[in-house]
Amino acid sequence: EVQLVESGGGLVTPGGSLRLSCAASGFTFSSYSMNWVRQAPGKGLEWVSSISSSGRYIYYPDSVKGRFTVSRDNAKNSLFLQMNSLRAEDTAVYYCARDLASSISCYVDWGQGTLVTVSS
Amino acid sequence: EIVMTQSPATLSVSPGERATLSCRASQSVSSNLVWYQQKPGQAPRLLIYGASTRATGIPTRFSGSGSGTEFTLSISSLQSEDFAVYYCQQYDNWPRTFGQGTKVEIK
Repeated sequence: EVQLVESGGGLVTPGGSLRLSCAASGFTFSSYSMNWVRQAPGKGLEWVSSISSSGRYIYYPDSVKGRFTVSRDNAKNSLFLQMNSLRAEDTAVYYCARDLASSISCYVDWGQGTLVTVSS
Repeated sequence: EIVMTQSPATLSVSPGERATLSCRASQSVSSNLVWYQQKPGQAPRLLIYGASTRATGIPTRFSGSGSGTEFTLSISSLQSEDFAVYYCQQYDNWPRTFGQGTKVEIK
């Protein structure tokens, strides 16, 4: 059974930093691209970042580019999101999600999410 | 950036009736279109990928169609567990973008 477990969320002041982790199990982690998707309270879904299976290819939307850094440790089956210069608009539940397949970049498995609150 | 627009925002349907949800892309995404279902307090669930392929374990009452810029998700006979919010998402271009969602509620 695929499991994705996020951790690291919490309350942080504007301008602060936070590092999210996602522990993966139940599949060959090193074979799949991984993603972060967020959802602000009462709002829709927003893609945050993607990283290829090897970590060679990384993508961000403009809203987080230069502030967020995605990484992975295939030896430890873990995905990370380093978030710097946080803003109130970054407040959201952050989900890690696994790609369906190498050529199909949609999200078949999701974690339960971790809440990040940016507030003074 | 490709803008995904879903309609309607809310759809009121009686159990057993058919529901039809629309998703429009601001430019062609070929068939690189996904549908997700999300219930309150839960992570999204993949329903349809490649515009029309049901994901593993998804009931046959869910069907997707379309290509290019116009897409449809149909639920043939709504069950109580189908009342939820549905999102489309394109994976043809970066950045990946979602529609704003359609809430399917009980009429």
